[in-house]
Amino acid sequence: DTEVTQTPKHLVMGMTNKKSLKCEQHMGHRAMYWYKQKAKKPPELMFVYSYEKLSINESVPSRFSPECPNSSLLNLHLHALQPEDSALYLCASSQRSLGVMNTEAFFGQGTRLTVV
Amino acid sequence: KNEVEQSPQNLTAQEGEFITINCSYSVGISALHWLQQHPGGGIVSLFMLSSGKKKHGRLIATINIQEKHSSLHITASHPRDSAVYICAVKETSGSRLTFGEGTQLTVNP
Repeated sequence: DTEVTQTPKHLVMGMTNKKSLKCEQHMGHRAMYWYKQKAKKPPELMFVYSYEKLSINESVPSRFSPECPNSSLLNLHLHALQPEDSALYLCASSQRSLGVMNTEAFFGQGTRLTVV
Repeated sequence: KNEVEQSPQNLTAQEGEFITINCSYSVGISALHWLQQHPGGGIVSLFMLSSGKKKHGRLIATINIQEKHSSLHITASHPRDSAVYICAVKETSGSRLTFGEGTQLTVNP
């Protein structure tokens, strides 16, 4: 199993809603990542979890709240988002931190989020 | 100037043509990734390179560390190869990937 599974695939939410994005992998990877990607732009790193601990937060607004309940699961909790937060949210995982040599990242299919 | 630059930005080819996408970077790296992203959004890792050349099916990736340059080649291109191809580097120090802007490839039947 070399998959990173993200749910839901599409999400439409209002600015007062609370929703969560879910990411799951069963490859035994100990590093997991959230990226945000706007149309026709490369992915931008948001958060990195290493061994279930938050290791990097790229100054992401607090309306995005990550959670790593166990080594296979990564959530992104969303609250009071703005229309400009509409984007594709990608999850990725790697066996170890990308800082370790020869570590490959595996990406999920993404959740396309629209904030109305 | 971006640390990772790809060329061309857009590429249109006829089915069967040989395709080359280039990536140049300006930082010291420990690995370079070639990624494929289809319109649906998901990203697939094609190759991870730190030296030399790798081949998988009709795809070939090469890297020249001294010249800080990598190429992705597609032989006998097919419409299903139409996608955005992204070069991403892992700098020698640090644990992030730095992405290029991507190359939109369209292969016409």
